[in-house]
Amino acid sequence: GENVEQHPSTLSVQEGDSAVIKCTYSDSASNYFPWYKQELGKGPQLIIDIRSNVGEKKDQRIAVTLNKTAKHFSLHITETQPEDSAVYFCAASGEYGNKLVFGAGTILRVKS
Amino acid sequence: SQTIHQWPATLVQPVGSPLSLECTVEGTSNPNLYWYRQAAGRGLQLLFYSIGIDQISSEVPQNLSASRPQDRQFILSSKKLLLSDSGFYLCAWKTSGGREQFFGPGTRLTVL
Repeated sequence: GENVEQHPSTLSVQEGDSAVIKCTYSDSASNYFPWYKQELGKGPQLIIDIRSNVGEKKDQRIAVTLNKTAKHFSLHITETQPEDSAVYFCAASGEYGNKLVFGAGTILRVKS
Repeated sequence: SQTIHQWPATLVQPVGSPLSLECTVEGTSNPNLYWYRQAAGRGLQLLFYSIGIDQISSEVPQNLSASRPQDRQFILSSKKLLLSDSGFYLCAWKTSGGREQFFGPGTRLTVL
């Protein structure tokens, strides 16, 4: 089955700097890759996703890149703000998308 | 618009007691429904998913069970709780043809 690895487990950045979180997946059939943000005590919120037919997607300060050959994808947050502090999860799913396999999560701390 | 509800929000139960967690989705029909468990500081583990009222798949053998008494209602149950059942339980939904999963607010379960 699919296995998703996520790095780093914790990341501290200064406000205004960029943050990058990387994930690798094992199943070459996976074709949908969402990213979720989870604040303390709340359910994860979808922040951006990418499908395997594109290499990059942007939404304001957030971008995701996908390298299908290397089977890895990354989340990029620019001009980080204190409210970006949260746990971020990557995930992958296959053709029918019924199941998501999640990475272990990254705790992002933005220091002001 | 669609909304997802979970209750209770928090629950403290003794070992050996029964469990019933409820999840309800509004504003959509025939959704795919999911139960996840998140241990403290860990990622999301898929427990059950359902693509229809009579179609529930179990991902991890355990003392939990799931039922779907109505199209938009998903129940997580146990006859006898274990200490290891403590965690944050999340319900999620997606449209049958879509890829994005949307999470509920979660239930914090503590088994003593």
